[in-house]
Amino acid sequence: SQTIHQWPATLVQPVGSPLSLECTVEGTSNPNLYWYRQAAGRGLQLLFYSVGIGQISSEVPQNLSASRPQDRQFILSSKKLLLSDSGFYLCAWKIGKNTEAFFGQGTRLTVV
Amino acid sequence: GNSVTQMEGPVTLSEEAFLTINCTYTATGYPSLFWYVQYPGEGLQLLLKATKADDKGSNKGFEATYRKETTSFHLEKGSVQVSDSAVYFCASFTSGTYKYIFGTGTRLKVLA
Repeated sequence: SQTIHQWPATLVQPVGSPLSLECTVEGTSNPNLYWYRQAAGRGLQLLFYSVGIGQISSEVPQNLSASRPQDRQFILSSKKLLLSDSGFYLCAWKIGKNTEAFFGQGTRLTVV
Repeated sequence: GNSVTQMEGPVTLSEEAFLTINCTYTATGYPSLFWYVQYPGEGLQLLLKATKADDKGSNKGFEATYRKETTSFHLEKGSVQVSDSAVYFCASFTSGTYKYIFGTGTRLKVLA
């Protein structure tokens, strides 16, 4: 069966420090992969999606970047975090046309 | 562009009350529609889905019908429980865009 792993679960980072969040999917091939951010009291904002290795589409210009070095690995990064980067980050995957997306358990990032 | 609009919360109900959370969408083409639920500190879980007009998705006593004429996918439950307290997200996915579009979420609180 397919599973998605996202880590770490919580992270506290100082302003200006780098960031690396990792997401891996098991049990499927060539999934579409997504990074979402959920700010406190707000909805889900699509940050990046990828339809294949090395293919990244950015939805919101900001100081975050994403990479997909392997088929089932999706990494969210930043060189210098801002206070406004605090939030709950969710990775998701899907395959097929009309199927649902499956979400990881999320990473709560607090920038101090 | 595509969008999803859902009623703002929070919604506070007594146990066994009837629940409706409104959701409307705009999309080019014919999207698949989804309701996700998020319990505190967790990722999103699929609650139900519908992939074409007049389809009814149902799960755990929740129902939603894909209404093309009103571009709506309202979530209903006849008798809510305290354990239904969570944030509910409506979402659309249009084949070819690769993107899930989420509403802002509606927080439901059920009181015993």
